[in-house]
Amino acid sequence: GDSVTQTEGPVTVSESESLIINCTYSATSIAYPNLFWYVRYPGEGLQLLLKVITAGQKGSSRGFEATYNKETTSFHLQKASVQESDSAVYYCALAPITGNTGKLIFGLGTTLQVQP
Amino acid sequence: GGIITQTPKFLIGQEGQKLTLKCQQNFNHDTMYWYRQDSGKGLRLIYYSITENDLQKGDLSEGYDASREKKSSFSLTVTSAQKNEMAVFLCASSIGGANTEVFFGKGTRLTVV
Repeated sequence: GDSVTQTEGPVTVSESESLIINCTYSATSIAYPNLFWYVRYPGEGLQLLLKVITAGQKGSSRGFEATYNKETTSFHLQKASVQESDSAVYYCALAPITGNTGKLIFGLGTTLQVQP
Repeated sequence: GGIITQTPKFLIGQEGQKLTLKCQQNFNHDTMYWYRQDSGKGLRLIYYSITENDLQKGDLSEGYDASREKKSSFSLTVTSAQKNEMAVFLCASSIGGANTEVFFGKGTRLTVV
């Protein structure tokens, strides 16, 4: 079946350090899925961070970037210099490009702790 | 912007009890979802609805009922609460399918005693 695997947390980094959270996917029923990063900040609901729908393209938001690599079936999340406010739980997810199947397939989430 | 409101935030039930979780959205979105999150596991889809009075089963629908009587509301019923069902239930909505941006509520934490 379809699945998403991401870096197991917690991940702890110091402020201004670089960050990478790995995400790989297996999409046996979906040729080229849409790929997403969602984030849950403390006390808030899950929200979309960035989305890429075309293989080879890069998405970016709030200083974070992720590139859709269909060769390695990866969608790693990167940031050059993290801030304490980036402390949150990050989820990689995929969904079919077409049709209203309703299903987002999530990874287990990676807790990021940024130390001042 | 809109908001998704889930009630209650915390729900404590007895084993075997029928429990209902409620969700309201003011985005005017067509599609609404219920996901369940267990500790150490990812989110799993229970039910979704693409329009008023529509219901579609997700991967985890057994043991649950859902109701979409209005476009703005989507309720989930645990038909017989089991102790292994302690989890956080997340309601969500989107203008289209899951390939569009999905907005989530803050969750209802269920504890079964």
